[in-house]
Amino acid sequence: VQLVQSGAEMKKPGSSVTVSCKASGGTFAGYSVSWVRQAPGQGLEWMGRVLPMSGTSHFAPKFQGRVTITADESTSTVSMQVISLTSEDTAFYYCARQPPGDDGFDEWGQGTLVTVSS
Amino acid sequence: SYVLTQPPSVSVAPGQTANIACGGNKIGTYSVHWYQQKPGQAPVMVVYDDSDRPSGIPERFSGSNSGNTATLTISWVEAGDEADYYCQVWDSSDNHYVFGPGTKVTVL
Repeated sequence: VQLVQSGAEMKKPGSSVTVSCKASGGTFAGYSVSWVRQAPGQGLEWMGRVLPMSGTSHFAPKFQGRVTITADESTSTVSMQVISLTSEDTAFYYCARQPPGDDGFDEWGQGTLVTVSS
Repeated sequence: SYVLTQPPSVSVAPGQTANIACGGNKIGTYSVHWYQQKPGQAPVMVVYDDSDRPSGIPERFSGSNSGNTATLTISWVEAGDEADYYCQVWDSSDNHYVFGPGTKVTVL
């Protein structure tokens, strides 16, 4: 299974963005899917995750209330929406899959660059 | 919240061994995972659950974890191993995932 993400986005401050992640050649059955972001020249930062089977999600405190993660099992797609964008949200956003019963990320999407600029 | 520490950089000559440390309070009680990220690419898991290797990862990559330090060891270092390496754990007390700040490995 490959995780294929949507393309780069250019957004204005105050707007929102949605990035999608599709499991190509398989499904997310039983897996969790997280989103991890990486600002230019910086490290990895976990944002939140969803369990596609149940739709339940939870988030790092920093992103609670500003990030939504949803899953559509019929299309094997997980989507992440970030609202109220600022220049500090400029980053690569990665989806990453976790096997059942494990807490490491065994498969990653190729990354989506979101640029926030006026 | 749980904090992981890593040295910013490690330099190693080809054919030598690189040891990358990941520090955390009682990290030996956590499962530690390691990722390699080359410039312009997504991270790739190279070690999971302290010392296991995913399919396709060379045996040159190994891991250990005890006390307050987990270690990723790259034996017989090659030029292609030059990358950033991140450790990661699940913090069950806060219910979220934590990454270390990353270590840049330079092959001399």
